[in-house]
Amino acid sequence: NAGVTQTPKFQVLKTGQSMTLQCAQDMNHNSMYWYRQDPGMGLRLIYYSASEGTTDKGEVPNGYNVSRLNKREFSLRLESAAPSQTSVYFCASTRRQGPTNEKLFFGSGTQLSVL
Amino acid sequence: QKEVEQNSGPLSVPEGAIASLNCTYSDRGSQSFFWYRQYSGKSPELIMSIYSNGDKEDGRFTAQLNKASQYVSLLIRDSQPSDSATYLCAVIGDTGRRALTFGSGTRLQVQP
Repeated sequence: NAGVTQTPKFQVLKTGQSMTLQCAQDMNHNSMYWYRQDPGMGLRLIYYSASEGTTDKGEVPNGYNVSRLNKREFSLRLESAAPSQTSVYFCASTRRQGPTNEKLFFGSGTQLSVL
Repeated sequence: QKEVEQNSGPLSVPEGAIASLNCTYSDRGSQSFFWYRQYSGKSPELIMSIYSNGDKEDGRFTAQLNKASQYVSLLIRDSQPSDSATYLCAVIGDTGRRALTFGSGTRLQVQP
């Protein structure tokens, strides 16, 4: 079972370059999320999509855009990368969103360095 | 004030001991509480969820919730070296955003 698949696993960018992080899940989940993880900061929510066709900002959306391409795929785009965006990025999904949110399934992460 | 606070550790316990991990949250209306475990270089995985006051046990793990004190804890009995990891507390608050807010994590080291 593939679960949540993220690509690429590693990426090095120069300041000002753009890139898209891809995420796909094969569990028929409705809700998908992008988090970033920095040392000592825990996981911080960038954007999320409660269901196909909707996206909403999280805690730290500045400098990012997202697209919920279909139910399976949720991409994260950096239009003009900055060194402050150096981080580990995790995509996650869950069957539904609600007060008793079900188990969040995470991808394996993308280590991004912006020089 | 951060929404979810955890002591970063490391918390060091000997093998076989009880490890006690603590978490406080600021949103009094928070409804759902989770503990995730993250091994170094890996993605987080859910180990416990708790929604009502009191204790919830699952094997060697017990989650405790006290909404009046805005406090969640995780007890790990008979700690094993394989329990050495970072434990992330996560909360769903009473806001329009129905997504997990994570604490910064507590690193646990179990000494053989």
